[in-house]
Amino acid sequence: GQSLEQPSEVTAVEGAIVQINCTYQTSGFYGLSWYQQHDGGAPTFLSYNALDGLEETGRFSSFLSRSDSYGYLLLQELQMKDSASYFCAVIMVGFQKLVFGTGTRLLVSP
Amino acid sequence: DAGVIQSPRHEVTEMGQEVTLRCKPISGHNSLFWYRQTMMRGLELLIYFNNNVPIDDSGMPEDRFSAKMPNASFSTLKIQPSEPRDSAVYFCASSQPRGGEETQYFGPGTRLLVL
Repeated sequence: GQSLEQPSEVTAVEGAIVQINCTYQTSGFYGLSWYQQHDGGAPTFLSYNALDGLEETGRFSSFLSRSDSYGYLLLQELQMKDSASYFCAVIMVGFQKLVFGTGTRLLVSP
Repeated sequence: DAGVIQSPRHEVTEMGQEVTLRCKPISGHNSLFWYRQTMMRGLELLIYFNNNVPIDDSGMPEDRFSAKMPNASFSTLKIQPSEPRDSAVYFCASSQPRGGEETQYFGPGTRLLVL
């Protein structure tokens, strides 16, 4: 089977930097994705890592270490609108389906 | 370009009734996914289709749940009979994989309440 672990909640202030970690256990790992979901909304794609290293997209960056079965999402220059839940999701070799983690609720305060 | 379209957006029904949720994927996407989200169980994949063919339905909770995709632009998820524990948000998502990358585009969801 597969399992993913994320912190349940993270708090930070506007303008700060926050890192949301994700550790996974799965056979046939192919890649790691991150999704954002605002309350009452649908998950939306943020980033994808198939190779080790850092992928940067504006204020958001995502990192993957395949040898450590670990990844993280880095959010910089936090804004109030970044308050949302963030999910890591594993893609497995030979499959299209995503297996989602339990999500991390990020609360950004003024 | 229209995103994934789901209907209805909200559904309130009584236990034992049949519920049908509908989804129109993004045009050109050949994969479609049905998810269920609850506070207790998080975001669970129920079933997914590739080129209208069901590939993996291992997440379907039980025989009360069924899904069809009669063509590339339409899918349904049916619950019959519905039970209070089926109350959840049901999302449909579609994708067009490129080089192994799997970016899924989610619809707005159907919020189902079974009384």
